[in-house]
Amino acid sequence: QSVLTQPPSVSGAPGQRVTISCTGTSSNIGTGYDVHWYQQLPGTAPKLLISSNTNRPSGVPDRFSGSKSGTSASLAITGLQAEDEADYYCQSYDSRLRGSVFGGGTKLTVL
Amino acid sequence: EVQLAESGGGLVQPGGSLRLSCAVSGFTLSSYDIHWVRQATGRGLEWISAIDKTGGTYYPGSVKGRFTVSRDNTKNSVYLQIDSLRAEDTAVYYCARRAPGSQSYSDAFDIWGQGTMVAVSS
Repeated sequence: QSVLTQPPSVSGAPGQRVTISCTGTSSNIGTGYDVHWYQQLPGTAPKLLISSNTNRPSGVPDRFSGSKSGTSASLAITGLQAEDEADYYCQSYDSRLRGSVFGGGTKLTVL
Repeated sequence: EVQLAESGGGLVQPGGSLRLSCAVSGFTLSSYDIHWVRQATGRGLEWISAIDKTGGTYYPGSVKGRFTVSRDNTKNSVYLQIDSLRAEDTAVYYCARRAPGSQSYSDAFDIWGQGTMVAVSS
């Protein structure tokens, strides 16, 4: 059971928009700790996709965007492409556990 | 090029020990906090340790007492000592760099190594 809750899977057709939610509690996202998102392609290491809730590192397409409100955060992907098929993880800090915490991951399937 | 490269993984018997290494290049290690994250096959990511620039160490309760992280800036390396290995420690172990500008406590990991596999089995 992950501290941050993500849907196990989402899917969409090429060109469509999908969102992935990340639900936390008052000891992590709700306290104001930043949320980060990672993309993990099969057989590879995770890659930072969104940092500090909304920031895209250099090289990340603007089709990817992040938002945060209350105890939740979301990753949105617009103009879905086949290459976006991957696992996506959210991450934050939990003050009760005193450490970084991850969501369980969401598998994105491009139909 | 900024890189991290893990090594030291392998097959170990339950109760054994292992020391993983994370060699960094392309940046000054002494200026960065480094984290370790592991991933069991088919499972999600799990944060397991961190060492800050001053040598302060941090662990989740699930591994505290068995895992020890250290660093040698002169060798551009960070180490993770894992003792009393259990079957549930079987995973790919990644080291990752704290992203500059990360909010205090909530570190983003901007650079990851390729991972090293640890298998615990008799």
